[in-house]
Amino acid sequence: EAQVTQNPRYLITVTGKKLTVTCSQNMNHEYMSWYRQDPGLGLRQIYYSMNVEVTDKGDVPEGYKVSRKEKRNFPLILESPSPNQTSLYFCASSLLDRGLEQYFGPGTRLTVT
Amino acid sequence: SQKIEQNSEALNIQEGKTATLTCNYTNYSPAYLQWYRQDPGRGPVFLLLIRENEKEKRKERLKVTFDTTLKQSLFHITASQPADSATYLCALRSSSASKIIFGSGTRLSIRP
Repeated sequence: EAQVTQNPRYLITVTGKKLTVTCSQNMNHEYMSWYRQDPGLGLRQIYYSMNVEVTDKGDVPEGYKVSRKEKRNFPLILESPSPNQTSLYFCASSLLDRGLEQYFGPGTRLTVT
Repeated sequence: SQKIEQNSEALNIQEGKTATLTCNYTNYSPAYLQWYRQDPGRGPVFLLLIRENEKEKRKERLKVTFDTTLKQSLFHITASQPADSATYLCALRSSSASKIIFGSGTRLSIRP
């Protein structure tokens, strides 16, 4: 089954404790992206990647890191999480030649206390 | 700065009627405009994509229009059903960049 998976689905952590949210897709998509969704603000792009070893900033990259060492995986790293990073996070992937119509993962709800 | 507005935060219509959702943008020249559906607690699901040189796109009961002069897209659901109740998001991508920006969504409720 074609899908985007994220882990963990729910995470409660404390300020400053490094964490990684994994994202994996099995569709051989070149493009992968991370978004955060907050009430009233909609989906905002954090980082995206056009292919392996190619990443770029979205609209809200501060406080986040990503890497793309393999085509299928695109982890999101929070080196020192803060409460303002409490949010619902989505990973998405797409083929580059399809206008970037994206397949989204199920989401990761992160709470930073 | 680039801005997308989905004019209605919520829209409530009766079953069987046509739902029309609006997406307006400023300071942007999108090559592609996309519409997604999102159910509570779940990831968005892609519905339709329309290119800048296309005026209209249809898929079953869905229709999207794209007016680059007005900087507006309209999303229509004909013969609406309670199962169409969800939040609908529009998203834009320019031809020169692979950054994607989303509107904040319109929550559509179809009452029986």
